Amino acid sequence: AQRVTQPEKLLSVFKGAPVELKCNYSYSGSPELFWYVQYSRQRLQLLLRHISRESIKGFTADLNKGETSFHLKKPFAQEEDSAMYYCALSAGGYQKVTFGTGTKLQVIP
Amino acid sequence: KAGVTQTPRYLIKTRGQQVTLSCSPISGHRSVSWYQQTPGQGLQFLFEYFSETQRNKGNFPGRFSGRQFSNSRSEMNVSTLELGDSALYLCASSLAGRDTQYFGPGTRLTVL
Repeated sequence: AQRVTQPEKLLSVFKGAPVELKCNYSYSGSPELFWYVQYSRQRLQLLLRHISRESIKGFTADLNKGETSFHLKKPFAQEEDSAMYYCALSAGGYQKVTFGTGTKLQVIP
Repeated sequence: KAGVTQTPRYLIKTRGQQVTLSCSPISGHRSVSWYQQTPGQGLQFLFEYFSETQRNKGNFPGRFSGRQFSNSRSEMNVSTLELGDSALYLCASSLAGRDTQYFGPGTRLTVL
């Protein structure tokens, strides 16, 4: 069975401070990992996926298969980063996505 | 390109009733997935349809069912509603396979 764990329900950081949102997963095969974000009163939307290896809005995430982690990082937090962040895993050949419980990021001005 | 649309946006039902929710995917998308979102359980996968076939199913009772039409529009049905079915039901579409999912705004179901 696949599982995604986000240990922090709430993460508060000051503007300009580094951010790291933790995500650990369990899956025996080769998963595809995603980070989704939901800003206030907006839809859930993709932030980034590990296969694209790109930086979106200054965020990066590296898949560490040894530690089964996919932590989301940003060197300098901005107020507009305040949102709910969900780590997600897709396994198998089809679209069966397991989401973590989410971490609320609060950037303090 | 129009986004994923869901109707209705809000529903109030009583226990024992049944409900049907609708999802229209982005044009050209053939995969439609449904999720239940609650404060306690977070986002839980219900099922996924591709080309009118259910490809994946989550761990929900048989009261939860769905279908997909030839134009990729999808409906989900919940029969014999229970108080615990109160939730935000999200629909997401993607091209196929493990592509990026695009989410709709959700249908807020309240069961009294």
